[in-house]
Amino acid sequence: QKEVEQNSGPLSVPEGAIASLNCTYSDRGSQSFFWYRQYSGKSPELIMFIYSNGDKEDGRFTAQLNKASQYVSLLIRDSQPSDSATYLCAVARGTTDSWGKLQFGAGTQVVVTP
Amino acid sequence: GAVVSQHPSRVICKSGTSVKIECRSLDFQATTMFWYRQFPKQSLMLMATSNEGSKATYEQGVEKDKFLINHASLTLSTLTVTSAHPEDSSFYICSARSYLRGETQYFGPGTRLLVL
Repeated sequence: QKEVEQNSGPLSVPEGAIASLNCTYSDRGSQSFFWYRQYSGKSPELIMFIYSNGDKEDGRFTAQLNKASQYVSLLIRDSQPSDSATYLCAVARGTTDSWGKLQFGAGTQVVVTP
Repeated sequence: GAVVSQHPSRVICKSGTSVKIECRSLDFQATTMFWYRQFPKQSLMLMATSNEGSKATYEQGVEKDKFLINHASLTLSTLTVTSAHPEDSSFYICSARSYLRGETQYFGPGTRLLVL
């Protein structure tokens, strides 16, 4: 079982619609959760991080965390063609032996169609 | 966000040569820097963790004598690919974090290495 799992996609979303991305993780001790966006041929850029259960909103993005279900999601409202990219979920354990390390999922490719 | 730069952005070299890649945090002091490698259509693979002033910690399967990492200051880490071979061709990305910013990692723009 992979430590961080995401559907690879592609997730096709009409322009203006909501894109919903899911991520599950196996380590119940995980403490910090991140969403990165990666355009083809570029390096990842941070979209959001979330530490506590519940929702966190930043502009058109909302991250949702449910530690009991070991599940973190990202919603993109009013999707734009420029949102077409691969979205990486990353999880930090926060333990002494793994301090600072992130476990990345394989990423979900999102394609926003005009 | 924070700014991390990498140099060079792209390098082509002959097999057997060594290539040095620099990673700099421009607007914060990075207590830890990470080096990743990414092959086409695959996710990031962590190669090593680098703490300022100490030896790098390499992930399993990564040859420390082939991928030399130096983290000489809080703003600079270097990765040297020694005796590069075509199979080392990849996208190398560094990231930096500061204990003041929690676990968040900020990525450099990446270096695309092609070994002929």
